[in-house]
Formats: sequence, structure tokens, C-alpha cells
Amino acid sequence: AQKITQTQPGMFVQEKEAVTLDCTYDTSDPSYGLFWYKQPSSGEMIFLIYQGSYDQQNATEGRYSLNFQKARKSANLVISASQLGDSAMYFCAMREINSGGSNYKLTFGKGTLLTVNP
Amino acid sequence: KAGVTQTPRYLIKTRGQQVTLSCSPISGHRSVSWYQQTPGQGLQFLFEYFSETQRNKGNFPGRFSGRQFSNSRSEMNVSTLELGDSALYLCASSALRDTYGYTFGSGTRLTVV
Repeated sequence: AQKITQTQPGMFVQEKEAVTLDCTYDTSDPSYGLFWYKQPSSGEMIFLIYQGSYDQQNATEGRYSLNFQKARKSANLVISASQLGDSAMYFCAMREINSGGSNYKLTFGKGTLLTVNP
Repeated sequence: KAGVTQTPRYLIKTRGQQVTLSCSPISGHRSVSWYQQTPGQGLQFLFEYFSETQRNKGNFPGRFSGRQFSNSRSEMNVSTLELGDSALYLCASSALRDTYGYTFGSGTRLTVV
């Protein structure tokens, strides 16, 4: 079964508007971390935001915020005031912290291609 | 400070050959992990090293191997290349044993012809 599901292969947004990228996850580990990365066409993976499973508040980093709904196993990324430079692939990833050998790897979703229109 | 450096950036190899990719982590980072990214399979974990020890390995054939040196630099090797090995290979480094912070390099794009 897929551990990270990103159901939106592509998304379009107008410049200066907000956009939400969906991510659902599946784990039986009570301790885990959720990440969002941005990958421009250059290929580098750029870390955006992190949410720990025990964090009480939703994570925020500048224009990025994470809408964490633990009971629904959902960790959606919200980008406010979109900019043309936000056009890229966005990946949701999970690290299961207590799963023995899984402790040291990230499991990624298939990604969402975001296009920001002027 | 310098980021994660992967060399080379681009590589073209012939089927059957072998290839070695290099990753220099951020200074002070002792954990290095490798990922393969293809259009069909997405991002898949290859292996992770900490202090020269492989701690975890993904579901890849034995043709894929890696190592880490005492200065934390890491190499991965693919022997007997197949067309399906064409991919972007990404390296990530992190600072602490159980940190959540992973910094990725720009990747090595391998094309097998």
C-alpha cells in the first residue's frame, strides 16, 4: 500500500493567490515526521517545511504552512500569495521514527506539479 | 556554508558498464543517504550511511552499492548498467543521528544508452 498519496498530478494557480497541495499518509508508527520539498526543473530538492507527529501546532515557514490533520492522516501544504518562482514539483515525504530499519529513510509521494500563472 | 555537492552533474554510460557517483555532505553532517528518481517509479530510497556504516538499504538489486569514507563523503556504484538505471540520483545529508533535517544535493543525472 502507498504510504504517501498525492492525488493531484498537476495544479494551476494565479499569481498572488493561495494554493493547497494535498497529501495523505499511512503509518502505524505513532512517531513520525512529515516533510514537504520543492523540486524546480534544475533537480535539487529544496526543503520547505516539517511537521512532527507530536507537534501540537501546525508548522509555518514564511509563505508555507502545513494543515496537519492527524486523525485524517492528512498533511496538506498551503502556499500563500503564490509567486511565479513557485512553479515546480512539490513532494510530500514521511519518516517513520520508531520503525527500526525505516528510521533513516524518507518515503516520498509521486508529487504535484504546480504552475503559477501571471 | 557549502551545500551538498554531487559529482558529476551529468553522465552518459553504455549498457553493461559500471559507474561511480560521488556525494560530499555539508561539513559536520555524518549521515548520507541516496535516492533514485525516475518518471515511472518516483523517488526511491537506495541506502543510508552514518559514520561509514550502512544503516538501511532499499529494495534494489546487488548491482547498487555504496560506501562512506571517514570524512563522511559517500560514493555509490552501479555495476552492469541497464537502460532502466537511467535516472536522477540524489544524495542527502543530515547532521545528527536522529534529526529530521535532510539537505539534498542537485543530483547526478545518469543516462544509460
